[in-house]
Amino acid sequence: TQLLEQSPQFLSIQEGENLTVYCNSSSVFSSLQWYRQEPGEGPVLLVTVVTGGEVKKLKRLTFQFGDARKDSSLHITAAQTGDTGLYLCAGLNTGGFKTIFGAGTRLFVKA
Amino acid sequence: DAGVIQSPRHEVTEMGQEVTLRCKPISGHNSLFWYRQTMMRGLELLIYFNNNVPIDDSGMPEDRFSAKMPNASFSTLKIQPSEPRDSAVYFCASSLSAGDGYTFGSGTRLTVV
Repeated sequence: TQLLEQSPQFLSIQEGENLTVYCNSSSVFSSLQWYRQEPGEGPVLLVTVVTGGEVKKLKRLTFQFGDARKDSSLHITAAQTGDTGLYLCAGLNTGGFKTIFGAGTRLFVKA
Repeated sequence: DAGVIQSPRHEVTEMGQEVTLRCKPISGHNSLFWYRQTMMRGLELLIYFNNNVPIDDSGMPEDRFSAKMPNASFSTLKIQPSEPRDSAVYFCASSLSAGDGYTFGSGTRLTVV
């Protein structure tokens, strides 16, 4: 069974601080996605990474896919209160159709 | 595009009643997924359709759960009879194909009392 472990589970920081959240597995994934979910809404896709070692930037967010395509990280620079939410990583299995979600990192950014 | 549309947004029902959740995927998306989210278990895949055909229903908890996709623009998830442990938020998501990123609906919060 493929599992994705996210850490930390919960993070509370002050506005302006930097942070990194991690997504780890012992399995190889075809691709990995990051989503952000706000209360009362469904997850919203932020990025998809496909190539081992790939780095993608989305404004203050930097996403990296591990060389072996087993892990990923999300780094947020100068966090803002609007970054508050549940961050989910999701890996597409090598069979190509089943996406496994991690349990998420709940981020709270204080003003 | 209005995105993935789910109804109802909230459902409160008594144990033993039938519950039907509805989903309209994004037009042109060939893959549709039903997920269940709880604090304890996170997001769990229940069933996946490709071109209206169920491909993987291994996540459906038991025979009380059934899902249909009669056409490309509509899917239902039915629970009969419902039980308190079915209380969760149920999400429908669609994508262009199975390997693409998903667009989620806003979910249906189900409470079975």
